Amino acid sequence: GAGVSQSPRYKVAKRGQDVALRCDPISGHVSLFWYQQALGQGPEFLTYFQNEAQLDKSGLPSDRFFAERPEGSVSTLKIQRTQQEDSAVYLCASSLFSRGTGAQGYTFGSGTRLTVV
Amino acid sequence: DQQVKQNSPSLSVQEGRISILNCDYTNSMFDYFLWYKKYPAEGPTFLISISSIKDKNEDGRFTVFLNKSAKHLSLHIVPSQPGDSAVYFCAASAQGFGNEKLTFGTGTRLTIIP
Repeated sequence: GAGVSQSPRYKVAKRGQDVALRCDPISGHVSLFWYQQALGQGPEFLTYFQNEAQLDKSGLPSDRFFAERPEGSVSTLKIQRTQQEDSAVYLCASSLFSRGTGAQGYTFGSGTRLTVV
Repeated sequence: DQQVKQNSPSLSVQEGRISILNCDYTNSMFDYFLWYKKYPAEGPTFLISISSIKDKNEDGRFTVFLNKSAKHLSLHIVPSQPGDSAVYFCAASAQGFGNEKLTFGTGTRLTIIP
């Protein structure tokens, strides 16, 4: 597709439930990023992939968070045993360049809004 | 520790006038700066960027100024149009292999008054 696609757009999870969030980047984009945006805050970095390699996962808040991109295209962010503080918009972004901060920056998806009740 | 700060949560500007959005940073390793615009229920979209080797970058109605000694950058929009109403995020990165992540500010909501 023309843009970065994320699904689902909205997800309500009961506390303790596992969730999986999907990101379809722009075809051919090498870099893929996940960000978490809490209400009233800016996006915060979670993890970065270059093709299928996860080069940076320093932003993942706990071992309940896991991301993968097995074939270097689609990525999944999985959150196990969700807690209320996980409620946020999860943004995926992709970039054509192997270094993510090219002149055009990233292309972001519209995000998945996760609400944990 | 907020490394990128946007101290004005909101700003209202008359249509046709200049909008000035400000951003301060604390990490001296940052050497690349970007502005993103965000509409409700959409992801941020890239607006303009500047490298630390420059102090100004222009793109149409948008100009970004960088003052490295003050660790301050600003986005100027002139003339402001109703379609500019959105949340604007300042972001920064320290380039170099392995430093791919952006650090964002908390955003400024700009409202253009017709």
